[in-house]
Amino acid sequence: KQEVTQIPAALSVPEGENLVLNCSFTDSAIYNLQWFRQDPGKGLTSLLLIQSSQREQTSGRLNASLDKSSGRSTLYIAASQPGDSATYLCAVNKSDYKLSFGAGTTVTVRA
Amino acid sequence: EAGVTQFPSHSVIEKGQTVTLRCDPISGHDNLYWYRRVMGKEIKFLLHFVKESKQDESGMPNNRFLAERTGGTYSTLKVQPAELEDSGVYFCASNQGLTYEQYFGPGTRLTVT
Repeated sequence: KQEVTQIPAALSVPEGENLVLNCSFTDSAIYNLQWFRQDPGKGLTSLLLIQSSQREQTSGRLNASLDKSSGRSTLYIAASQPGDSATYLCAVNKSDYKLSFGAGTTVTVRA
Repeated sequence: EAGVTQFPSHSVIEKGQTVTLRCDPISGHDNLYWYRRVMGKEIKFLLHFVKESKQDESGMPNNRFLAERTGGTYSTLKVQPAELEDSGVYFCASNQGLTYEQYFGPGTRLTVT
């Protein structure tokens, strides 16, 4: 059974600081790892998808790395802004398609 | 391109009643998934459709839950009869294939009183 852990559970930083969010998973036989953002009371917005053959993906200020062999991914958000405040979720899937989610990291960026 | 839509956004029902949730995936997406998050827990997989066929329903909690996807388009998830522990947020997602990202709808918040 795939277990996904996200550390820390919550993070508060001043505006402008870089954010580092960690995700680990127990079964390294994954197909994809996907990072999501969830605002309070809203759905999940897909941020980045990293396929198992890739080591990183970048989108604007976001960069996600994947170390499949050690079961880890890190999401970096550069120069954080108050609008980055949200819960960030990590999820992985295997060949069975279904995503296994972590509990998320709740980020607060202080103006 | 319209995203994944879900209806209703919020439903409050009494224990023992029936509720039907609807999901409209992104047009052209053969894969449709249902997930849910109950209070304080991670989001958990419920089931996966490929077109109109159930590919995997290993996450369905019990036989009070029935999912359908008529004609391979929209899907419904019926809970009958609802129990208190069914309260939570039910998400629907869709994608084109295994290597593609899953796009999620806004969710339906179900409250059973």
